[in-house]
Amino acid sequence: EVVMTQSPATLSVSPGERATLSCRASQNVNYNLAWYQQKPGQAPRLLISDAYTRATGIPARFSGSASGTEFTLTISSLQSEDFAVYYCQQYNNWPPTFGQGTKLETK
Amino acid sequence: EVHLVESGGDLVQPGRSLRLSCAASGFTFDEYAMHWVRQAPGKGLEWVSGISWNSGSIDYADSVKGRFTISRDNAKNSLYLQMNSLRPADTALYYCAKDPNYSSSAPRFDHWGQGALVTVSS
Repeated sequence: EVVMTQSPATLSVSPGERATLSCRASQNVNYNLAWYQQKPGQAPRLLISDAYTRATGIPARFSGSASGTEFTLTISSLQSEDFAVYYCQQYNNWPPTFGQGTKLETK
Repeated sequence: EVHLVESGGDLVQPGRSLRLSCAASGFTFDEYAMHWVRQAPGKGLEWVSGISWNSGSIDYADSVKGRFTISRDNAKNSLYLQMNSLRPADTALYYCAKDPNYSSSAPRFDHWGQGALVTVSS
């Protein structure tokens, strides 16, 4: 199965600053990559699919990019509500697999 | 607005069975694939099983294959997960999740329920 490796495990950033989260796939997944946000006690929420496409209602400060097997989620100017755990997920190969998550915390 | 409400979670002994249900509303249920995704306490996400819009395609993670059965009733807008031979490693919050497509072949999850907690312990 495809192993998704997220880095860093924890990212400390100040509100208003930019956050860059990384996700690496162990093999080619094309652009079949999604990003989810999960806040404590809540279900995950889809942010990005197809590596770049924001889901309905997701603010423009969230953006996704890709280069080969490396994927990046960028949050351009962190708001208080953005501090959460973020997961990447590939859906190109079977079975679908998630990264272990990056916790974005307030610096 | 899409709503997914899971039910049926419980504390069960190893080797016993449990059936989860997911009631869907706010969208045309029979036009979309559906999935179960679980999250062990304090851990990450694991896809468990998926079913296409018409139940024509069904898949399972290796960790549950042969023990779990996914099904749906489009007339009742409901998704189910029958879990047999439960193990302590199956302890998790089980989420019902909607796929944005009718096919379950490229699973991603655009709406999630709040989860049903399954605890397997003696």
